[in-house]
Amino acid sequence: DSGVTQTPKHLITATGQRVTLRCSPRSGDLSVYWYQQSLDQGLQFLIQYYNGEERAKGNILERFSAQQFPDLHSELNLSSLELGDSALYFCASSVGGLRQETQYFGPGTRLLVL
Amino acid sequence: SQELEQSPQSLIVQEGKNLTINCTSSKTLYGLYWYKQKYGEGLIFLMMLQKGGEEKSHEKITAKLDEKKQQSSLHITASQPSHAGIYLCGADYPGSQGNLIFGKGTKLSVKP
Repeated sequence: DSGVTQTPKHLITATGQRVTLRCSPRSGDLSVYWYQQSLDQGLQFLIQYYNGEERAKGNILERFSAQQFPDLHSELNLSSLELGDSALYFCASSVGGLRQETQYFGPGTRLLVL
Repeated sequence: SQELEQSPQSLIVQEGKNLTINCTSSKTLYGLYWYKQKYGEGLIFLMMLQKGGEEKSHEKITAKLDEKKQQSSLHITASQPSHAGIYLCGADYPGSQGNLIFGKGTKLSVKP
């Protein structure tokens, strides 16, 4: 158990819908990262937050957004969902969000868009 | 082309055999991470390598980063069924601000 929690574990929805994925980092970790894992693209970085502020952006679509709240939990919002958005979404956390800090991953949310 | 290449893509070994997985970067990296993933589950951190020539071990798993910091190898000695899973390498590059670029993974099966 990494100490990072994600909810829900599974999500099934329809195209055009909007969903919210939630992540609670390990106690004491200030940085949260979101990754998307799909069969064809592999594991890709989406976005990073540090202590409530956006720090880095990766391959995140404009239909997706995220935020980190004062209690440090984070939410990833996916809207106007398409079939291709079906994937495993992982959240990871690290202490300070600095390079070469170990990132601890949550169990993931499996999203299926029908 | 992929920044981070892993080889082989998949591997089937007999229990008790040794094996090596490679991770090659197209450019010099700051750090290299190895993770293990059971199918459909989260990533389990194995080890992190930062310095050229560095080698780390955890139980029967050893990883090394070459001097140029562009290639890492993960070696498992006397493999067991519990070693089965997908091994992913993740690279921390200059300018990445801490987010990781991952290889496609190596799927390891260990036959009892």
